[in-house]
Amino acid sequence: AQKVTQAQTEISVVEKEDVTLDCVYETRDTTYYLFWYKQPPSGELVFLIRRNSFDEQNEISGRYSWNFQKSTSSFNFTITASQVVDSAVYFCALSDLSGTYKYIFGTGTRLKVLA
Amino acid sequence: ETGVTQTPRHLVMGMTNKKSLKCEQHLGHNAMYWYKQSAKKPLELMFVYSLEERVENNSVPSRFSPECPNSSHLFLHLHTLQPEDSALYLCASSQDLASGEAGEQFFGPGTRLTVL
Repeated sequence: AQKVTQAQTEISVVEKEDVTLDCVYETRDTTYYLFWYKQPPSGELVFLIRRNSFDEQNEISGRYSWNFQKSTSSFNFTITASQVVDSAVYFCALSDLSGTYKYIFGTGTRLKVLA
Repeated sequence: ETGVTQTPRHLVMGMTNKKSLKCEQHLGHNAMYWYKQSAKKPLELMFVYSLEERVENNSVPSRFSPECPNSSHLFLHLHTLQPEDSALYLCASSQDLASGEAGEQFFGPGTRLTVL
């Protein structure tokens, strides 16, 4: 069965600290897609990254980086030098062939960056 | 307007009312979704439309009725709702890629629904 686990319910850091948000997934398929979304207080989910199961290269985009490890079924998200504007709820999601059009979301991690 | 828009942003209704939520996407996508987001719960997929045909219905109660008249518009008709239906209702769209590929979803700002 498909499942996405974000064990960290809430994380608080002080501005400029690095923070890693964990995401562990379960799927029986060999082809699948992983996503991260950010939900600021305004409510709208903002797409951050999409990764397919055949691409295990880590990705860096500015202060954001993602570590995809199939061996541990994890797709962790790191924010370097966090800023107050990074405060939001972050969701990890999975989509695989067994559920075309179906995206399974984790419960989200609320990140609070304190000035 | 760009991206995905939703109206109204806030809605308060009684259990006997009938109302509709509207979603419009300006991205040229061919798939649209309704999600329900309740406090401390994962996002729940309610309905999926691809090329204006409903392809997924996650056992949603019949008091929620979707309508997709074209690839740019999606409605969620509400009637005789219960207080537990109070939640943030999010609309999303994506481009149906080649078979087996899942594209990213773009979300609207949501409608905050309160059922009294």
